[in-house]
Order: sequence, then structure tokens, then C-alpha cells
Amino acid sequence: QVQLVESGGGVVQPGRSLRLSCAASGFTFSTYGMHWVRQAPGEGLEWVAAIWYDGSNKHHADSVKGRFTISRDNSKNTLYLQMNSLRAEDTALYYCTRGTPLGPTTTPPFDYWGQGTLVTVSS
Amino acid sequence: DIVMTQTPLSLSVTPGQPASISCKSSQSLMHTDGKTYLSWHLQKPGQPPKLLIYEVSNRFSGVPDRFSGSGSGTDFTLKISRVEAEDVGLYYCMQRIQLPWTFGQGTKVEIK
Repeated sequence: QVQLVESGGGVVQPGRSLRLSCAASGFTFSTYGMHWVRQAPGEGLEWVAAIWYDGSNKHHADSVKGRFTISRDNSKNTLYLQMNSLRAEDTALYYCTRGTPLGPTTTPPFDYWGQGTLVTVSS
Repeated sequence: DIVMTQTPLSLSVTPGQPASISCKSSQSLMHTDGKTYLSWHLQKPGQPPKLLIYEVSNRFSGVPDRFSGSGSGTDFTLKISRVEAEDVGLYYCMQRIQLPWTFGQGTKVEIK
């Protein structure tokens, strides 16, 4: 079955970097777009970034643009989020979630989510 | 960015009674392809969100038929025909017609 397992979270000082990973299994990873969504403690959901199935297109929220970079390695079935110049306001649970598949489809995005990995930015 | 506004922000419901959540978007969510890209997600306590409804009214696989979605343009509604104890959690609407994809603030549903 579809599984998404995030890792790489932790406590980091402001201004430092962290790289999150999301290991995918149970589906053909290389044919799906993928997303990161975050949730600050006690807050709602915020879309962070998206990447096309082949990595050819990437989009980032304005709140992270220029600091975070989404990427993927289809040979490893893994999604990444490189987070630089971290700020206190980046503290959140980061989820990876599956997007839409390649080609005409009725499969909706965000049909599967990982359990999330917690990032805490604090001095 | 498209702003998604949900009402109410909290709801206390007696088991077996209906519940309704409204979601309004600041722009039409109808795409030129004829589809309307509004979805509903439920986040139960301590869990990641899960997809309930996509494209306004399509129930995702395994979602009970007591959940239904309706609406068009900028006004949408999620209805639970008979609330059960397992339905507690935070309900979010989300638009994906335009980047950045945006969520409503969430509606907390609890049982009386």
C-alpha cells in the first residue's frame, strides 16, 4: 500500500539549515507530483512547495521562497526539502503528500499523507 | 493568493444529528476545464489530514456516504448527515486552482 515516511526533522538554531526527506513506497513515485505541507503548533495547514513528477517544475510558497528548495530523486523514490536560513516561524510539523499523477487522470492530489516530521527552530 | 474562509470555526454536535460547514473563496474555483478545484480534508487528533471530498462533491475512496459536498464558484458546503463520534477533528477546505494552494482556517467539530 502507499506509504510516505518523513525524516530529518529536529531542533535547529535560527539561521541554520536542515534537509527533510520523504521515502515513498507502494506506488510508482516517478509518475506523481509531490508536495510539502506544514502545520505550526496549534495552527492550520500551509502549503509549502510542489514538484512535478520529473522534477522539471518546482513551486514554493512566498514565505519560504529563496530559503527552501524542493527536490526529488526518482531512483531512490525520495522527496526532499532543503531548508536554509531557518526562522522561528518555520517551526512546524512538515508533511509530504502525494500530488497528481502524470497524464489524464481522475486521481485527486493529497490522497496520501505521511505522519510528518517536526522541525523546531530555536536558540 | 486565494483566501479561503470557513464558518463556523467550531461546531458541537449531538451524535446522530447533521452538521454543516461553509467555505467561501475570494475567487471562483472553476477552472477553464470545467472542473472546480475545491476539496475537503479531515484531520483527526494526532493524525495527518486525510482527503474526504475532491472537486466539490466527489467522495474519496472509503469515505462514508454520510459525508457530502456541494457548491459552485466561490461558495461551498460540507455536510455530515448524521455525525458519529469518529467524525471529531478539524475540517479544512482547500483550493488548488491557483498556486499557492490555500486552506481554510479549519473548523473544529466536537461531540456534545
